Amino acid sequence: AQKVTQAQTEISVVEKEDVTLDCVYETRDTTYYLFWYKQPPSGELVFLIRRNSFDEQNEISGRYSWNFQKSTSSFNFTITASQVVDSAVYFCALSEWGFTEANSKLTFGKGITLSVRP
Amino acid sequence: SAVISQKPSRDICQRGTSLTIQCQVDSQVTMMFWYRQQPGQSLTLIATANQGSEATYESGFVIDKFPISRPNLTFSTLTVSNMSPEDSSIYLCSVRDRGTYGYTFGSGTRLTVV
Repeated sequence: AQKVTQAQTEISVVEKEDVTLDCVYETRDTTYYLFWYKQPPSGELVFLIRRNSFDEQNEISGRYSWNFQKSTSSFNFTITASQVVDSAVYFCALSEWGFTEANSKLTFGKGITLSVRP
Repeated sequence: SAVISQKPSRDICQRGTSLTIQCQVDSQVTMMFWYRQQPGQSLTLIATANQGSEATYESGFVIDKFPISRPNLTFSTLTVSNMSPEDSSIYLCSVRDRGTYGYTFGSGTRLTVV
C-alpha cells in the first residue's frame, strides 16, 4: 500500500526566509509519480509539480525548488525568499501509475500549513 | 490539461437531506475521482468512477451514502445522502490526464450541514 508522510504540520516564517517542506513516501511500485499541491484559503488545489520515479533531477521554478531522493524516499519542497502569498496548505501526493488504471489513484499526505508573516 | 467545472461551489444543507454535486469536464476522460476533505484534514478518496460501470468505493465509503453516476465520459455526479453535520467537508472531483500523468481538480464544493 502506498503512503505519504508529511511530519511537519504547521510552519511559521517571516517573509524573505527560506522554508523547506518535507515529504516521505512509501510504495512497492518501481513506477510512480510524486506531486506537490498548494491549497490557499479559498480551497482550490493548485498543481505545483509532478515528478516520475525515474527522474531524480532536482527542479527549480522561480522561488520554488524540489529535491527528490529515491534513496531516502523523500521529495522535499523549498521556497526561497518566502512571501505572504505563499501562505497556504501544501500537500505532497503519490500515484502508483502501473499498467492498469486501477492503481492510479492519488494518495495525499496530511498537509503542511505554512504561514508567512510580513 | 483538462478543465473541470464543479457545481455548486458551496451549500448549506439541513441534516437528513441530500445534495448532488456535479462535475463537467471539457474533454473525455476514462476515470473520475471523488475526494472528501474534512475540516483541517487531508484529501481522502471516496470512489473512482468509470463510465459505464459501477463506481469503486474506498474502505469506509458506501454506495448508499455516496451514490455516484457517470453517464458519459465528460460528466459525473456525487450525491451525499441523508446528511449529518459530520458530512460537512469540501468535496472535490478529479481526473487524470493521460498525456501528462497529472491530475486536475475541480474547484471544490464546500458543504455545511446544519
